[in-house]
Amino acid sequence: DVKVTQSSRYLVKRTGEKVFLECVQDMDHENMFWYRQDPGLGLRLIYFSYDVKMKEKGDIPEGYSVSREKKERFSLILESASTNQTSMYLCASSLGGRGPDQPQHFGDGTRLSIL
Amino acid sequence: KQEVTQIPAALSVPEGENLVLNCSFTDSAIYNLQWFRQDPGKGLTSLLLIQSSQREQTSGRLNASLDKSSGRSTLYIAASQPGDSATYLCAVTTDSWGKLQFGAGTQVVVTP
Repeated sequence: DVKVTQSSRYLVKRTGEKVFLECVQDMDHENMFWYRQDPGLGLRLIYFSYDVKMKEKGDIPEGYSVSREKKERFSLILESASTNQTSMYLCASSLGGRGPDQPQHFGDGTRLSIL
Repeated sequence: KQEVTQIPAALSVPEGENLVLNCSFTDSAIYNLQWFRQDPGKGLTSLLLIQSSQREQTSGRLNASLDKSSGRSTLYIAASQPGDSATYLCAVTTDSWGKLQFGAGTQVVVTP
């Protein structure tokens, strides 16, 4: 079974802090994704990566950056956290290549609160 | 820009009734449509994936239909149980990398 692990279930940070959210998958997947989930809006794609050191912006990349130095790890970075980034963050991975039918496997999410 | 809508936002049914969940999308140029389940505080679990060339997909008590030309999908859950209580999300795949565009979800409560 694919396991996608997000390092924290709950996180509380202060405005202006630099925040790192970590995601690790154990199935040698090439594609990894970061979403945020807000009530009434569903999941929205922030960034995705299709290979080590490769990244592409999703629908809402403003205020975020990502890092993928190793295949199994994809980090989401909030350079200067703001209260409107309080949300549930979900990481996902899929096998790789250009395969639209490959299922995405999700972690349990990190609920981030910015005070 | 693709928009995915799920109506209603919430639904409550007594145990044993059939559940009907609706999903609509604005652009018919999709690779596939997926239905996910999300339990409170958890990630998403994939339930069914319907290829763009398919009309329906079945798994146990679940059946999903797809009418690509009209931009609609319906998820049927037969003989609902309290364990079916969860949020159900639909998503369409919009490019060859597998990027998903999600609806906001329908929160389902099945009462014993």
